[in-house]
Amino acid sequence: GQQLNQSPQSMFIQEGEDVSMNCTSSSIFNTWLWYKQDPGEGPVLLIALYKAGELTSNGRLTAQFGITRKDSFLNISASIPSDVGIYFCAGPQETSGSRLTFGEGTQLTVNP
Amino acid sequence: NAGVTQTPKFRILKIGQSMTLQCTQDMNHNYMYWYRQDPGMGLKLIYYSVGAGITDKGEVPNGYNVSRSTTEDFPLRLELAAPSQTSVYFCASSRGGLTDTQYFGPGTRLTVL
Repeated sequence: GQQLNQSPQSMFIQEGEDVSMNCTSSSIFNTWLWYKQDPGEGPVLLIALYKAGELTSNGRLTAQFGITRKDSFLNISASIPSDVGIYFCAGPQETSGSRLTFGEGTQLTVNP
Repeated sequence: NAGVTQTPKFRILKIGQSMTLQCTQDMNHNYMYWYRQDPGMGLKLIYYSVGAGITDKGEVPNGYNVSRSTTEDFPLRLELAAPSQTSVYFCASSRGGLTDTQYFGPGTRLTVL
């Protein structure tokens, strides 16, 4: 089945630093979604991307839909302690428009 | 709106026991989903429903059953618990298909010993 590979698996940064993470697939995706999971909570949608090359921002977060449609990137600027959590990319499975495939996540730790 | 609520928050089962994980949403969403999240992994879809009376298998349905008798409720049943079912279970709902945001509940942490 389709797989999404996220990198890095984990990041340890200082407050105020910028963060970049990415998600790649061997298959083409028509939609890319970025979720954040706070410790002990369910994931929350941060950004949705629907078109190749699209660049979308949500506050300090910016995500891009790769031109090849096989990758996506998430950047966080000027990180703060509440950015801690796991960031997942996700996309719809080819065989069923109702199912999402999730990456394994990037664990972000921000040191004050 | 409470959104998506799940009960219980935590549960320990013995091998072979059965239990039902409850999920309720008050947003009148048509679509509901059950995922499991193993440590250090992403979410895997167990079952989903596109409306009352309609359910379908996800990636990892073995060992689970679901029903959707109302729009609001989507319980997940484990009949014979096994250690491999130790995981965190998330219920989610969305108004429509994938172009619509999925809203997740807080999760149920299940341990099977």
